[in-house]
Amino acid sequence: EAGVAQSPRYKIIEKRQSVAFWCNPISGHATLYWYQQILGQGPKLLIQFQNNGVVDDSQLPKDRFSAERLKGVDSTLKIQPAKLEDSAVYLCASSLDQGQGYTFGSGTRLTVV
Amino acid sequence: AQSVSQHNHHVILSEAASLELGCNYSYGGTVNLFWYVQYPGQHLQLLLKYFSGDPLVKGIKGFEAEFIKSKFSFNLRKPSVQWSDTAEYFCAVRGNNRLAFGKGNQVVVIP
Repeated sequence: EAGVAQSPRYKIIEKRQSVAFWCNPISGHATLYWYQQILGQGPKLLIQFQNNGVVDDSQLPKDRFSAERLKGVDSTLKIQPAKLEDSAVYLCASSLDQGQGYTFGSGTRLTVV
Repeated sequence: AQSVSQHNHHVILSEAASLELGCNYSYGGTVNLFWYVQYPGQHLQLLLKYFSGDPLVKGIKGFEAEFIKSKFSFNLRKPSVQWSDTAEYFCAVRGNNRLAFGKGNQVVVIP
């Protein structure tokens, strides 16, 4: 089966600019997750969707980060405006339901300068 | 919310040596446990997982892990490592529908 697709693979922006990442999960996977992985740390959950509804966004910095999954399939994560500390790899993952294992995409490496 | 601890962030060992990576978590409820591996330049891949049943879990590439509930631990082992096992290893714990990761172990295997 095709994996979790993410784009772009790399992005370099200046602070205060905006950026968006895209994720297409495995077909049929109802649950979609966005994680932030800062260098030297483990991934941290930003937001979890079940179909097109938000299940958990308690760790999403809502003043600058937003995410949507309008049709319950692909998803976008946006940062506006970006800060230097947002430099990280942004990972998307999906699972068949909340009780199953997760499949991760290759991630988008964001550098904010 | 649960937390996950991984110690000895950097591990360097020779081929054929045995590997053991510790993972401890704090969460009082029912948990699902995972080990993920990230090879250089690649995405996270599932090594093995524990949901229930036999606490000794066997995964891919000769890895195994043991869940010890009384110690809140899920340590990863491999009896004889290869150069291709050079990677970063992450322990993850799901509790209350949230998957939390440890900081990872950077493992370097010297040929």
